[in-house]
Amino acid sequence: NAGVTQTPKFRVLKTGQSMTLLCAQDMNHEYMYWYRQDPGMGLRLIHYSVGEGTTAKGEVPDGYNVSRLKKQNFLLGLESAAPSQTSVYFCASRGIGQKVFAQYFGPGTRLLVL
Amino acid sequence: SQQGEEDPQALSIQEGENATMNCSYKTSINNLQWYRQNSGRGLVHLILIRSNEREKHSGRLRVTLDTSKKSSSLLITASRAADTASYFCATDDGNNRLAFGKGNQVVVIP
Repeated sequence: NAGVTQTPKFRVLKTGQSMTLLCAQDMNHEYMYWYRQDPGMGLRLIHYSVGEGTTAKGEVPDGYNVSRLKKQNFLLGLESAAPSQTSVYFCASRGIGQKVFAQYFGPGTRLLVL
Repeated sequence: SQQGEEDPQALSIQEGENATMNCSYKTSINNLQWYRQNSGRGLVHLILIRSNEREKHSGRLRVTLDTSKKSSSLLITASRAADTASYFCATDDGNNRLAFGKGNQVVVIP
């Protein structure tokens, strides 16, 4: 199993450009998450999904949109990139159940907005 | 808002020594988790402790939880160079989301 994969690994954008980050998981997990990690800030939740076709806002959702059309995929979109969105983006997934709480993370996408 | 807050922020120890990290949080929790992040990689789940547990062990890891003080500690015994990483605590409030602390950077000197 590949676990959680993210594409692309690295991207440079100019201010105002748009892009979509793709997260895929092959563990049949119900829950999926998008975080951003900035130096000294830990991870902050952008958006998350508790199942196919559902999405919800996290701590820092402004400037981002998401879609979960298929259970295994969770897309993060930046409609008009800003330098403040320069960050490392991590996707994570989690199974469902009474004893299943750990999140599984992808390798990250480094985004630089000029 | 950041839930977990680790202390200290950076720790440098000799191989074989023990490393202790602390985490405090503000609201009630369902469980608390610790993750490790090696440089340039994603986070890896290490250990979970539920709100009704006080101590848990996994290999060289020992985690404690004091819900009255809203704090947790992670102890890594007999550290190895491969333990060099950042360590994050994360609180689960039962709403299917985690709130991460800012992380502890641990450097183990061979």
